[in-house]
Amino acid sequence: QVQLQESGPGLVKPSETLSLTCTVSGGSISGYFYNWIRQPAGKGLEWIGRIYTSGDTNYNPSLKSRVTMSVDTSKNQFSLKVGSVTAADTAIYYCARGSGWFDPWGQGTLVTVSS
Amino acid sequence: EIVLTQSPGTLSLSPGERATLSCRASQSVPSNFLAWYQQKPGQAPRLLIYGASSRATGIPDRFSGSGSGTDFTVTISRLEPEDFAVYYCQQYGSFPGTFGEGTKVEIK
Repeated sequence: QVQLQESGPGLVKPSETLSLTCTVSGGSISGYFYNWIRQPAGKGLEWIGRIYTSGDTNYNPSLKSRVTMSVDTSKNQFSLKVGSVTAADTAIYYCARGSGWFDPWGQGTLVTVSS
Repeated sequence: EIVLTQSPGTLSLSPGERATLSCRASQSVPSNFLAWYQQKPGQAPRLLIYGASSRATGIPDRFSGSGSGTDFTVTISRLEPEDFAVYYCQQYGSFPGTFGEGTKVEIK
């Protein structure tokens, strides 16, 4: 079955750019929407945005000015960049597949913003 | 954006009991595009229900979803030990998709 796995630095300095990659295995990446969702420790879930395998994107208006997503179908990967990060961006970041509901999800990766 | 309010915040029940979790939307959810997820500590959320009432693949039939418009419910008919977790609702009918704050189902 399809599995998703996040990867990237676990520590980012304030004002710098957070960069994460999600690798899709067990099937082709093509023909689906892929999402990034985050969860601060002990808190709820926030949808960051999504990308289709054509490269079309939709971002949450609350983060739109700082977010960029991209996809590399040859590597079965898609990526997230969040610029000008602050401590408020500290969270577990999940990737997930879907155009409405999300299934499956990656296991998540903790990103801490700290100097 | 649509705000989802889940209640109660915490539900204390014993194995074998029935659990009823509520999700109320600040405005009608288009096409009843509402999903429910279960999250256990240290794990990613797992899809339980989509389209308000359709069970995801592999989800036991003790889980059922219902509701429409602004009021939605997920019911666990008889709690198993593995069902104690946090449950989130999510609407995907209106952009941007949003989640509720979660209901924790704990062992009494």
